[in-house]
Amino acid sequence: NAGVTQTPKFQVLKTGQSMTLQCAQDMNHNSMYWYRQDPGMGLRLIYYSASEGTTDKGEVPNGYNVSRLNKREFSLRLESAAPSQTSVYFCASSPPVGRNQPQHFGDGTRLSIL
Amino acid sequence: AQTVTQSQPEMSVQEAETVTLSCTYDTSENNYYLFWYKQPPSRQMILVIRQEAYKQQNATENRFSVNFQKAAKSFSLKISDSQLGDTAMYFCAFMKPSGGSNYKLTFGKGTLLTVNP
Repeated sequence: NAGVTQTPKFQVLKTGQSMTLQCAQDMNHNSMYWYRQDPGMGLRLIYYSASEGTTDKGEVPNGYNVSRLNKREFSLRLESAAPSQTSVYFCASSPPVGRNQPQHFGDGTRLSIL
Repeated sequence: AQTVTQSQPEMSVQEAETVTLSCTYDTSENNYYLFWYKQPPSRQMILVIRQEAYKQQNATENRFSVNFQKAAKSFSLKISDSQLGDTAMYFCAFMKPSGGSNYKLTFGKGTLLTVNP
């Protein structure tokens, strides 16, 4: 059981380049999330998807787009990367029922924008 | 909006001793959930313990326990018999169900815990 899988694990981009971060979960979870983690800032929600076909903005959505391709996959796209988007990106998913079910996280993608 | 505050950016403890990490939060909700996540150097986010706000009993998971004070909006984590493998960043997180199957987490900024031999 792989859980939440993120690809790639590391990436270096030049300013202005585009990039899609991939995320897939095999736990039949309805909800999926993208976070970014910056030093001293904790994790901040970029976008989330409550179910297949729906997406909503989180706390820091500017500069990003997302696609919920199907129930398993939720991708994050940087159309024109900026140095301020240098961060570690985490994908997470949560089950459809259960009042206290935690989110399950992928291992993260370290993204550097030069 | 909910906020989560971890007032201790860094802490250290000797192996086998006990340490308590602090967390306070601000919310007007009555029904919510609280979590502690651990992030070791491997960068994985690992759930340590969870607490439902409607439960008065403090959650316990082996060496990890919480002191949940709902009126004070405080949710501290106690680690007993600290081990070298407990060295990690610890995040406190608040979750308010926002309808359907969507549960959004709000994280604190984290406390870096170092366990010394």
